[in-house]
Amino acid sequence: QSVLTQPPSASGTPGQRVTISCSGSSSNIGSNTVNWYQQFPGTAPKVLIYNNDQRPLGVPDRFSGSKSGTSASLAISGVQSEDEADYYCAAWDASVNGVVFGGGTKLTVL
Amino acid sequence: QVQLQESGPGLVQPSETLSLTCTVSGGSVISGSHFWSWIRQPPGKGLEWIGYIYHSGSTNYNPTFKSRVTISVDTSKNQFSLRVTSVTAADTAVYYCARTPVLPTGTWPPNYWGRGTLVTVSS
Repeated sequence: QSVLTQPPSASGTPGQRVTISCSGSSSNIGSNTVNWYQQFPGTAPKVLIYNNDQRPLGVPDRFSGSKSGTSASLAISGVQSEDEADYYCAAWDASVNGVVFGGGTKLTVL
Repeated sequence: QVQLQESGPGLVQPSETLSLTCTVSGGSVISGSHFWSWIRQPPGKGLEWIGYIYHSGSTNYNPTFKSRVTISVDTSKNQFSLRVTSVTAADTAVYYCARTPVLPTGTWPPNYWGRGTLVTVSS
């Protein structure tokens, strides 16, 4: 049972806008920044969004993040077939003094 | 560019001790701005934080692991290590080491990860 709650799956057709939600509490998302990771099979997670809404160099601008209260969202505007992967949200949690993750969302591009 | 590389046995016997080392390059484990973390991912499942160490040697562990986990640091080799005792098949996972930024405003989730190493617990 993950501390942060994500939908297990999401889907969209090429060009569509897809959003993935991440719900937490006051001890994690409510008081700390959120990262989003993209993970392809057999590879390590890659930072897609950090500090709630910042994109590392090289991440396409079709990826965007937002946070409000104890929830965060990842949006992909104009989803592409190469975006088919697993997506995880993460935040520091003051109650365990450690990082907590969402259970992951598998994105399928139809 | 910071790089992290996990190393250690890929197969561990049940009830034995799992030991992994993470070698850091392009950065220093004595950085006062980072925790050095271990995270694992069982096959087909999500990510689970195991614990972290600071350059001073202070640590914090996921309560799920209770007293089975120890993380240590070797500043002379720019490495940090993980030990998990009394392993079972449930400890089979890809183990990642990662760097966790510590800022004046708070601690962020990991920003640099190793490639991960699969550890299988089986006789």
